[in-house]
Amino acid sequence: SNELTQPPSVSVSPGQTARITCSGDALSKKYAYWYQQKSGQAPVLVISEDDKRPSGIPERFSGSSSGTVATLTITGAQVEDEADYYCYSTDSSDNHVVFGGGTKLTVL
Amino acid sequence: QFQLVQSGAEVKKPGASVKVSCQASGYTFTNNGISWLRQAPGQGLEWMGWISGYNGDTKYPREFQGRVTMTTDTSTSTAYMELRSLRSDDTAVYYCAKDVGSPVLPSAHFDTWGQGTLVTVS
Repeated sequence: SNELTQPPSVSVSPGQTARITCSGDALSKKYAYWYQQKSGQAPVLVISEDDKRPSGIPERFSGSSSGTVATLTITGAQVEDEADYYCYSTDSSDNHVVFGGGTKLTVL
Repeated sequence: QFQLVQSGAEVKKPGASVKVSCQASGYTFTNNGISWLRQAPGQGLEWMGWISGYNGDTKYPREFQGRVTMTTDTSTSTAYMELRSLRSDDTAVYYCAKDVGSPVLPSAHFDTWGQGTLVTVS
């Protein structure tokens, strides 16, 4: 079962800003993590601890979190950013990993 | 370079069990935990549980309690996930992922994923 809520899909034109939200009570106390998954591939971490970008991830990817909502922002989205994006966190009571249902980003 | 290499694809009958392995390299296995996740065809990712590489402690979500067992072999830096009483809706790609957080508590911070193992139940 999903305990974080994401929109099923987001669509933008190349060069526009894409914003994907993730909401849930866990986010008020725990970090949000964002993973990108392209078709047929394993997920790749694009944002950790709400707003940290791992090495190798383009600067156009950024993250923020306020209250119970975390947001992944892709500024100047590129066609190659088309993928499914998942947010993850941990439940503050039992440290179980909780996750969103994923958002399909279309850039065209 | 951290790496997780998983065992190959499996085809199982309903009611059978499957055991998937995940061999780690490039880091000290006991410093981190390993989470297992799966993805059914056309569906999102689902967390199946976590095991500490340090002391073997496990955490399983309610959905998998009693049907999944995670173990480790520190001598070979390998984690295992066994799922029993397989059903057709267990058909999925199963992933292991290296947990960057504390070795005694799961986090959602995975910096390395295995290549995935397709388990088909039919």
